[in-house]
Amino acid sequence: AQTVTQSQPEMSVQEAETVTLSCTYDTSESDYYLFWYKQPPSRQMILVIRQEAYKQQNATENRFSVNFQKAAKSFSLKISDSQLGDAAMYFCAYRGYSGGGADGLTFGKGTHLIIQP
Amino acid sequence: ETGVTQTPRHLVMGMTNKKSLKCEQHLGHNAMYWYKQSAKKPLELMFVYSLEERVENNSVPSRFSPECPNSSHLFLHLHTLQPEDSALYLCASSQLAGPTDTQYFGPGTRLTVL
Repeated sequence: AQTVTQSQPEMSVQEAETVTLSCTYDTSESDYYLFWYKQPPSRQMILVIRQEAYKQQNATENRFSVNFQKAAKSFSLKISDSQLGDAAMYFCAYRGYSGGGADGLTFGKGTHLIIQP
Repeated sequence: ETGVTQTPRHLVMGMTNKKSLKCEQHLGHNAMYWYKQSAKKPLELMFVYSLEERVENNSVPSRFSPECPNSSHLFLHLHTLQPEDSALYLCASSQLAGPTDTQYFGPGTRLTVL
């Protein structure tokens, strides 16, 4: 079974600074997908960024980027120019590839990100 | 309404009650999911429906009974729950358009079992 590990229960960063959240995973599959979701106090789970394992290029979405190291099974999220609205729980998630079928996500325990004004 | 909606947002029930959680997606998706988010555990997948058929039951106790009457609606029927079932229940949907389908989540139902 796949597992996802987020080793940082909580991180704190000054507004406008850069922060990196860590995620490692364990899988025997070669094709899979990785996601970062954000859950603010409203509890709505929001997709931040996703990465296909077959792509060597790291995904980026505005201030959010990932460092995907397939051999090391590492998938970290970098948030640049941190803003107060970035404060939330961040979850790393894994999904295997089953040829387009429906597959559930395997989540890490999350990292609580605090933005200091 | 847009996205994925869930009702009720909060629910308090006794162990002998029967209640249902409702999820509705307005995204034209064809797969739906139930997840459980407890205070001390990672989000856990409970059920997966693809094209209105259940394709996964992740060892969930029978006191939880899902129902997917059509591609837009998903229910979770609750019966004889235990206090440890208190959690946030999240619904998600996705479009089976290929390998990169993304799951979009509703706001969740906060369930308290007394």
